[in-house]
Amino acid sequence: NAGVTQTPKFQVLKTGQSMTLQCAQDMNHNSMYWYRQDPGMGLRLIYYSASEGTTDKGEVPNGYNVSRLNKREFSLRLESAAPSQTSVYFCASSVGTVNTGELFFGEGSRLTVL
Amino acid sequence: AQSVTQLDSQVPVFEEAPVELRCNYSSSVSVYLFWYVQYPNQGLQLLLKYLSGSTLVKGINGFEAEFNKSQTSFHLRKPSVHISDTAEYFCAVSSWGGSNYKLTFGKGTLLTVNP
Repeated sequence: NAGVTQTPKFQVLKTGQSMTLQCAQDMNHNSMYWYRQDPGMGLRLIYYSASEGTTDKGEVPNGYNVSRLNKREFSLRLESAAPSQTSVYFCASSVGTVNTGELFFGEGSRLTVL
Repeated sequence: AQSVTQLDSQVPVFEEAPVELRCNYSSSVSVYLFWYVQYPNQGLQLLLKYLSGSTLVKGINGFEAEFNKSQTSFHLRKPSVHISDTAEYFCAVSSWGGSNYKLTFGKGTLLTVNP
């Protein structure tokens, strides 16, 4: 009954450090997404993967890289963290390779960059 | 380009009162519409969706929404709210962008239900 699992749930970094957020889903979904949520901004898409082996940029990809490791896992990497990347990050998945908008979300990873 | 406007950033109500959370969208093509709910320190979960058919859609926890194409609105309603409905609610619109659907979220409405 896990759904979408994200790790870590909390992380504090110093400017310039790198880290990877991990995401795994056990629903056999094809598509996976990374969003960031900032106060008063709603959710903004960073990257998505419509199927295993493919990744595409979303609305705010700068400063991030992603890897679709297999059908279950989709990781988000910050190579050199900046204070502007302080945010709550959500991983999500959807059934098909074409996303009409019905997403299943993880519980979020709260990142603070000092 | 499509956009979503949630007209109220915060809506305080008393328990057992009715509530309406307003959402307007703009798009030049046909759309799918969604409401998501986010409880404190949790991820978003789908509350209800409009894909086609009846313009009145019912979701979980007694919520419903009505799609009004002429007014480009998709307002969320509940006739009697509970303390447990306190959460942030996000309206979202999806439309075909040429190579895939594009999903756009509104900025959210914080519903606070007071005793």
